[in-house]
Amino acid sequence: DAKTTQPPSMDCAEGRAANLPCNHSTISGNEYVYWYRQIHSQGPQYIIHGLKNNETNEMASLIITEDRKSSTLILPHATLRDTAVYYCIVFNNQGGKLIFGQGTELSVKP
Amino acid sequence: AAGVIQSPRHLIKEKRETATLKCYPIPRHDTVYWYQQGPGQDPQFLISFYEKMQSDKGSIPDRFSAQQFSDYHSELNMSSLELGDSALYFCASSLGGSLNTQYFGPGTRLTVL
Repeated sequence: DAKTTQPPSMDCAEGRAANLPCNHSTISGNEYVYWYRQIHSQGPQYIIHGLKNNETNEMASLIITEDRKSSTLILPHATLRDTAVYYCIVFNNQGGKLIFGQGTELSVKP
Repeated sequence: AAGVIQSPRHLIKEKRETATLKCYPIPRHDTVYWYQQGPGQDPQFLISFYEKMQSDKGSIPDRFSAQQFSDYHSELNMSSLELGDSALYFCASSLGGSLNTQYFGPGTRLTVL
């Protein structure tokens, strides 16, 4: 079973920051937080991941709370092409498989 | 950069037929994962291979089998197809087993009539 809770849907205005929350209160010390997104039946696209520290790459930023029980994915300037289902996944790299939960359907509107 | 390649992209089969899906991982990647995504559902893990050995297994039907070859490409064989097997099948690859990020291919859409 998925170990994360995400809101089922969110809206964001084009050009504004999109902040997608994720709760993972049962995360273990050696588990990572991964974010993927899926744009309309395409293959899931890797966005970012982190263990304890905040992370940033060319696509997004990941903010992980100090107790690691929740995190937020930030798309700094959302575009229409960012409309997708975003999955927050707690990943144990000893196990290997990604367990996809319900995800958040983000709609970016003009 | 080279990505994961899956073939065919679309496949239509009749019930009780067999199907073979192929996955070519990113160059140098030694680990392959297969996922199934039914209509309106989230991707579900089927099976994975690391260095040509099965490394993990999910809810994969006994009618399905898979293997990874010496060039690291993988094939998912599906026999006695059922209507419920209609789905998107994604392959992902990573380097060094489960230690590193999985990158997904574009998927194969299987339709069973």
